Amino acid sequence: DAGVIQSPRHEVTEMGQEVTLRCKPISGHNSLFWYRQTMMRGLELLIYFNNNVPIDDSGMPEDRFSAKMPNASFSTLKIQPSEPRDSAVYFCASSLVDQPQHFGDGTRLSIL
Amino acid sequence: RKEVEQDPGPFNVPEGATVAFNCTYSNSASQSFFWYRQDCRKEPKLLMSVYSSGNEDGRFTAQLNRASQYISLLIRDSKLSDSATYLCVVPLEGSYIPTFGRGTSLIVHP
Repeated sequence: DAGVIQSPRHEVTEMGQEVTLRCKPISGHNSLFWYRQTMMRGLELLIYFNNNVPIDDSGMPEDRFSAKMPNASFSTLKIQPSEPRDSAVYFCASSLVDQPQHFGDGTRLSIL
Repeated sequence: RKEVEQDPGPFNVPEGATVAFNCTYSNSASQSFFWYRQDCRKEPKLLMSVYSSGNEDGRFTAQLNRASQYISLLIRDSKLSDSATYLCVVPLEGSYIPTFGRGTSLIVHP
């Protein structure tokens, strides 16, 4: 079975540009998570969807960040406008409720 | 008190050693606990779930202490390949949303 699929694997762009990260969860999983990981702050939960509905977005840093899940097989995380401090590894994970999460390979984002 | 706390380490041990990590949590109602392993520049991967009665998987043993609100991970006969960061996962207070600890770094040397 395919795992969680994220794209792109790497993204380098200039500050001010719009960045869109994509995630395809494991088929049948009803929970989807977006995380950001940096050396300074560790793994931070940005937003959690259950059955395509955002349940907790308290971790979204500010209005520049937005996430959508239009259907059960696709989610996006968008940053507009991007800033150098957004540079991090962004992970998407999916699971059944209360079960272990499965992570994608991550997107390594660098904002110049 | 933070929701989930781990000693960041690093724990530097020789091959063959036994090493243990603890993870303390504040949500006394938590039911689901997990240990994940993360290698450098890779995604976290599930190592094992933690059951109330404790569980063992080869050289790895996970235990839960509800009274003192911590979970532990014991690694016996450490291998070089065990070098990684070990993350505990516990649900947030009042929710079932899993929260990751900052992780404990393990370095196994020859």
